Amino acid sequence: ILNVEQSPQSLHVQEGDSTNFTCSFPSSNFYALHWYRWETAKSPEALFVMTLNGDEKKKGRISATLNTKEGYSYLYIKGSQPEDSATYLCAFPGANNLFFGTGTRLTVIP
Amino acid sequence: DTAVSQTPKYLVTQMGNDKSIKCEQNLGHDTMYWYKQDSKKFLKIMFSYNNKELIINETVPNRFSPKSPDKAHLNLHINSLELGDSAVYFCASSQRSGEIYEQYFGPGTRLTVT
Repeated sequence: ILNVEQSPQSLHVQEGDSTNFTCSFPSSNFYALHWYRWETAKSPEALFVMTLNGDEKKKGRISATLNTKEGYSYLYIKGSQPEDSATYLCAFPGANNLFFGTGTRLTVIP
Repeated sequence: DTAVSQTPKYLVTQMGNDKSIKCEQNLGHDTMYWYKQDSKKFLKIMFSYNNKELIINETVPNRFSPKSPDKAHLNLHINSLELGDSAVYFCASSQRSGEIYEQYFGPGTRLTVT
């Protein structure tokens, strides 16, 4: 079992604010880091799969960066909207599996 | 078109019963998974299948058995259901097994054991 930690556990922001949160993972034997978005009463949806140190990926107002040497990834949301409210999970592959973090639950207040 | 589908969406049953949850993917993926969302809302892997071969099997009770009739289906059969089996079970698939392949999740099946 791999230790994947996310912080903060939950976050409330006002509509229009930008925000970010962190995923920490083992820095040794790195292959990839996944980010998923999980809305309440729905199923997780993949946002990004990141593989290279220094990698930066973007999808609309959401972006992510990766530091494999120190073992962390940041997820940024610019100009948060109520529809961004969800739990954001990162996942670290190992042994033909994904080990999910506990997630950051984001609530955007209109 | 639903990429990964699960049936049923809700399942209420009594302790001791045997039940199955079905999963189908129409993405042409090689690998399928079953996850359990535990009481703390964590996603924990239960099984994965790659080309009909079980490639991992986490420490779940042997009352749980995955069955894959073909590459597009991975069903979860549970014998002698217990109260602690109550949870949401998610099926997922990925193009291949491996670190770089994102997973596509089904809508989940909420199992309640009374």
